[in-house]
Formats: sequence, structure tokens, C-alpha cells
Amino acid sequence: GNSVTQMEGPVTLSEEAFLTINCTYTATGYPSLFWYVQYPGEGLQLLLKATKADDKGSNKGFEATYRKETTSFHLEKGSVQVSDSAVYFCALWMDSSYKLIFGSGTRLLVRP
Amino acid sequence: EPEVTQTPSHQVTQMGQEVILRCVPISNHLYFYWYRQILGQKVEFLVSFYNNEISEKSEIFDDQFSVERPDGSNFTLKIRSTKLEDSAMYFCASSGVKGNEQFFGPGTRLTVL
Repeated sequence: GNSVTQMEGPVTLSEEAFLTINCTYTATGYPSLFWYVQYPGEGLQLLLKATKADDKGSNKGFEATYRKETTSFHLEKGSVQVSDSAVYFCALWMDSSYKLIFGSGTRLLVRP
Repeated sequence: EPEVTQTPSHQVTQMGQEVILRCVPISNHLYFYWYRQILGQKVEFLVSFYNNEISEKSEIFDDQFSVERPDGSNFTLKIRSTKLEDSAMYFCASSGVKGNEQFFGPGTRLTVL
């Protein structure tokens, strides 16, 4: 079946460090891919998305490129801030379905 | 900015009791969803609802669960007889178009004792 695998957290970084959170997927077909972020005490917010191979999603300094050859959608940011501390979820959506399939989430903690 | 709202934010109930979780989706959205997240685990899909009927449901969504859109604004999830393992954060979401961004509410934390 379709699934998403994320790197385990927590990821702890110092402010201004480079961030990578790995995400790979398994899908029968060509999914759309998403990154959602969950700040403490809040719901899930869409961070960025990509709907086809080689698309790059970007928002708030975060980027992720849809790589069909490696079935990956890794999240990157060049310089993290304390306010980026949150849980990040990679997700996929197939147009044959209504549901989002989420990875297990990766907690990011950024220290001043 | 329009947002999805959920009530209550926290619900505590005794095992075997019925609970109703309420959601107000974004007003011009047509697709509605419930997900849940057991503490420390991944977010899991429960059900999607479109055109006043269930369009897809997961294996978790058994006969103990039901959804309803009782009026033009609310979308509810009912658990008929709660079990301990139903304790989780329940998220409502809505989208305007199938496959487009799903907007999530802040969640209802359900604790079954």
C-alpha cells in the first residue's frame, strides 16, 4: 500500500543551522506530496506542496523537491530559527483517494 | 483568514459513553475529513465526507463511528460507545476541491477513562 517514511526525531539544532528532514514515500502511481507543520498546541498547517516530479515547493524559507527517481521529498531550510521549533509531517495524496497519508512526524527543536 | 474550528478542545468521558465532536469547516468548502492522532503516533485518516455522504473511510472507522452534517455549517463525529483506545487527538479538516490543500482545525483531545 501507499506509505510515507520520515526520519525519526527529535532533531536538535542551533539557531542559523542548516536543516534537512528526510521523507521517502511508497506509492502505486504519482502522488502529490506535502509538508505540514504542527506548532505546540495547534493544528496542522500546510507548509508546502509539490504535485509532480521535479516540482519544488517553497514557503517561509523551507524548500522540498519532488524526486521521483529516489521517491523522496526532503525538507530543507538554510538557516533555522527558534520559532521553527515544531513537529513536521510529510504526507502524500493520490487522486484515486480522498485521504492524506502521513508520516510519523519529526520533532524539530531549535536552541538559541 | 477563514479557519476550521473544533469544539470542545478537550473532552473527558467514561468508557462506554457516547461522545460527539464538533467541527465548523471553512464556509465554502465541500470536502470534509476526520483524522486522529494517538499520542506519539502518526496522524491517521478516519473518514471523508462529500455531497452529504461518506466518500471514503478507513478500517478504524467501524460501526461505532458515524459522521453527520446536521446543518449548513457543522460537521460532527460521533463515537457511539467509547473505548480506552479511542483516546487521541481528533482533527477535522476541510478542502474546497478534492486534492487541494486540506485545512485542519486545532483538534479535540479525547480522553477515555
